[in-house]
Amino acid sequence: EDQVTQSPEALRLQEGESSSLNCSYTVSGLRGLFWYRQDPGKGPEFLFTLYSAGEEKEKERLKATLTKKESFLHITAPKPEDSATYLCAVQAQGQAGTALIFGKGTTLSVSS
Amino acid sequence: EPEVTQTPSHQVTQMGQEVILRCVPISNHLYFYWYRQILGQKVEFLVSFYNNEISEKSEIFDDQFSVERPDGSNFTLKIRSTKLEDSAMYFCASRGAGRNSPLHFGNGTRLTVT
Repeated sequence: EDQVTQSPEALRLQEGESSSLNCSYTVSGLRGLFWYRQDPGKGPEFLFTLYSAGEEKEKERLKATLTKKESFLHITAPKPEDSATYLCAVQAQGQAGTALIFGKGTTLSVSS
Repeated sequence: EPEVTQTPSHQVTQMGQEVILRCVPISNHLYFYWYRQILGQKVEFLVSFYNNEISEKSEIFDDQFSVERPDGSNFTLKIRSTKLEDSAMYFCASRGAGRNSPLHFGNGTRLTVT
């Protein structure tokens, strides 16, 4: 069964304190791994797609990396506005419209 | 930037009543989805829709659920006889045809069944 596990469940950081979020996955052939940001009461907002082991993507203070078993979302010098829940999702091999399977997310709180 | 819009933002209904949740996907997208998120739990896949038919559905999407694209812009989710456990945030999403096209989500409809 395809599964996504994220850790930690919650993370509190001081502004400027860098850290990483983990996403471990098991899937019968990976089509893509996705990171989303979700603010309270809102829908998930797309951040990155990673397709193959060794791939990296960056956007502002965020950098996502991928191995054959896990992905990391590195947050460098976070600011309070980075506070949100970060969701990881995988898409298995198959048709282009194949559903995403989500993890429970990591809730990040950044204080100034 | 184009976005997925959902209405209403909050719907309260009594157990056993029918509800229709509405979505306007991004205009040039071809794949449409419904997901739900029960408070404090994972975002769960319900159904995907492509070329005017269901392409995939989860175990959650039983006979009480149906989807429709009644015209060129709207995409609806109907729950025929709501149960207490249907209370959740329901998210509509859409994506384009390209391999690199990600899923774009709306801001959801909060359904409360009393």
